[in-house]
Amino acid sequence: NAGVTQTPKFRVLKTGQSMTLLCAQDMNHEYMYWYRQDPGMGLRLIHYSVGEGTTAKGEVPDGYNVSRLKKQNFLLGLESAAPSQTSVYFCASSYSRDRGRTDTQYFGPGTRLTVL
Amino acid sequence: ELKVEQNPLFLSMQEGKNYTIYCNYSTTSDRLYWYRQDPGKSLESLFVLLSNGAVKQEGRLMASLDTKARLSTLHITAAVHDLSATYFCAVLNFGNEKLTFGTGTRLTIIP
Repeated sequence: NAGVTQTPKFRVLKTGQSMTLLCAQDMNHEYMYWYRQDPGMGLRLIHYSVGEGTTAKGEVPDGYNVSRLKKQNFLLGLESAAPSQTSVYFCASSYSRDRGRTDTQYFGPGTRLTVL
Repeated sequence: ELKVEQNPLFLSMQEGKNYTIYCNYSTTSDRLYWYRQDPGKSLESLFVLLSNGAVKQEGRLMASLDTKARLSTLHITAAVHDLSATYFCAVLNFGNEKLTFGTGTRLTIIP
């Protein structure tokens, strides 16, 4: 199993450009999450999904959109990138709690994004 | 709004010593997670604590949860260099499936 994978690993954008980050998991997890990590601020939840076709806002959703058209994929879009979106982005996935299995979130390797 | 505080934020300790990292949270929850992150790497799950009084141990690390005090501890016994990393606690918000992370404790083990 590959676990949680993210594409790309690195990206540099100019202000105003758009891009999509792809997250894929092969563990048949129901839940998927997008976080950003900034120095001294831990991880902050951007958006999450509790199932195919569903999404919800997290703590810092502004400037981002997401889609979950397939259970195994969760896309994060930046329509008009800003320097404040320079960060490391992590995707995570987990089982749902109501299945009686551990709902530990498993994280992907991260995408380092710089917006100039 | 759930808030999670860790202390200390930075910890430098000698090999062979014992120390404890604290994680306090502000609202009721009985599900807490500890993660490890090495520089430039992703987060690795260490422990899941599911109830009051839960204690988990793996090697030189032991985690515990006191839901009444809203406190979890990560105890390091006889530290070794390989334990140098940043450690995060995260608390689950029931009802919205969200994890709130602490800001992390950067642990450096000095030979």
